[in-house]
Amino acid sequence: GAVVSQHPSWVICKSGTSVKIECRSLDFQATTMFWYRQFPKQSLMLMATSNEGSKATYEQGVEKDKFLINHASLTLSTLTVTSAHPEDSSFYICSASELLRGGPDTQYFGPGTRLTVL
Amino acid sequence: GIQVEQSPPDLILQEGANSTLRCNFSDSVNNLQWFHQNPWGQLINLFYIPSGTKQNGRLSATTVATERYSLLYISSSQTTDSGVYFCAVGSHTGGFKTIFGAGTRLFVKA
Repeated sequence: GAVVSQHPSWVICKSGTSVKIECRSLDFQATTMFWYRQFPKQSLMLMATSNEGSKATYEQGVEKDKFLINHASLTLSTLTVTSAHPEDSSFYICSASELLRGGPDTQYFGPGTRLTVL
Repeated sequence: GIQVEQSPPDLILQEGANSTLRCNFSDSVNNLQWFHQNPWGQLINLFYIPSGTKQNGRLSATTVATERYSLLYISSSQTTDSGVYFCAVGSHTGGFKTIFGAGTRLFVKA
């Protein structure tokens, strides 16, 4: 149980285009989803937290207009990198939790999406 | 905010050796998890352990919440144990948030 998928697993795009990454909880209802960014050989940095049906809460320094997050259902959250530039190239990882439904606050992670912006 | 420190930053082991990884955190937390990130980037849940001791095969973990540290023990290490081990702590103060340590990079030699 507790499987989280991400799509795509990798993407290469041209500078200026927008890229959408999907995060799905396959066998549980994820009331809370998290988006992280990881640079090579570094730790995970939390970008934003989203609760189903409400606006995402962004961490300090993360541009909300640049990284659009939509948590439209209990099993799907999307991250859209708008007008991507080479400095947005990174490994993006989502996680999901059943926290708001009284479930444990254990986080389950997706496999990640490697974004390369040319 | 909460600070999470992991040690050692890097570790090289001979196959079959045992090791202890440490995670210190600077404030009270609501939860603590240990993860293994494999070479493909997938984070694998090892333990959810806000307090106490748990064991799963060759791995075990202990968290002493009152002293703000957690230990991950790896016994009889195997080459497949190689990767990065992260400790992540969660706080419900001001909204649910998880803070990751910098990780311990483990390489097990055959």
